[in-house]
Amino acid sequence: GQQLNQSPQSMFIQEGEDVSMNCTSSSIFNTWLWYKQDPGEGPVLLIALYKAGELTSNGRLTAQFGITRKDSFLNISASIPSDVGIYFCAGRPDSGTYKYIFGTGTRLKVLA
Amino acid sequence: GAVVSQHPSWVICKSGTSVKIECRSLDFQATTMFWYRQFPKQSLMLMATSNEGSKATYEQGVEKDKFLINHASLTLSTLTVTSAHPEDSSFYICSARAVGGVNYGYTFGSGTRLTVV
Repeated sequence: GQQLNQSPQSMFIQEGEDVSMNCTSSSIFNTWLWYKQDPGEGPVLLIALYKAGELTSNGRLTAQFGITRKDSFLNISASIPSDVGIYFCAGRPDSGTYKYIFGTGTRLKVLA
Repeated sequence: GAVVSQHPSWVICKSGTSVKIECRSLDFQATTMFWYRQFPKQSLMLMATSNEGSKATYEQGVEKDKFLINHASLTLSTLTVTSAHPEDSSFYICSARAVGGVNYGYTFGSGTRLTVV
């Protein structure tokens, strides 16, 4: 099935550092979501974005809906050990479907 | 907030047997349920979309006779893996869209890890 390209694939960072990851697509999306998944669990929604250029924060997390509607970015400031996990972006194609396409995931590991 | 209860959380079955996975929306009505499959260290791949009271729509390459989906009520959807084989071992996750809900932030179940031996 179709997937979004997400980068980086994985990253190790020191506690307290800021983290950035992005998701890109060759087609337009009209909604972007960012999820976090812990091992053995289902994804949990972090941030939802609905229009191009939108910048939304949730605590230390900030996400942006790219102007071209083909990308989105997630930033985590002052990372802490519990930020460890896999982060997925998900986009809804601009085709009237309710389905979301998921990114390939960014595996984050925080070194204390 | 919206909660989706998924059971069992893990199951081990013998090759050739069938396994049923349930997803229930506990505090809302789910007009649409999505079923995903996730292999280790990989992303979620949509298998099928089911709307209450109608047949599920399967993604390309997903065998509808092998992965039976039932969405008989607004609070319950089931996925049955029929005649399971070791290659069906995976993490299966459901996601529910609420009746009248906006098209974002669907709630996920906690997943079911299926191991076929």
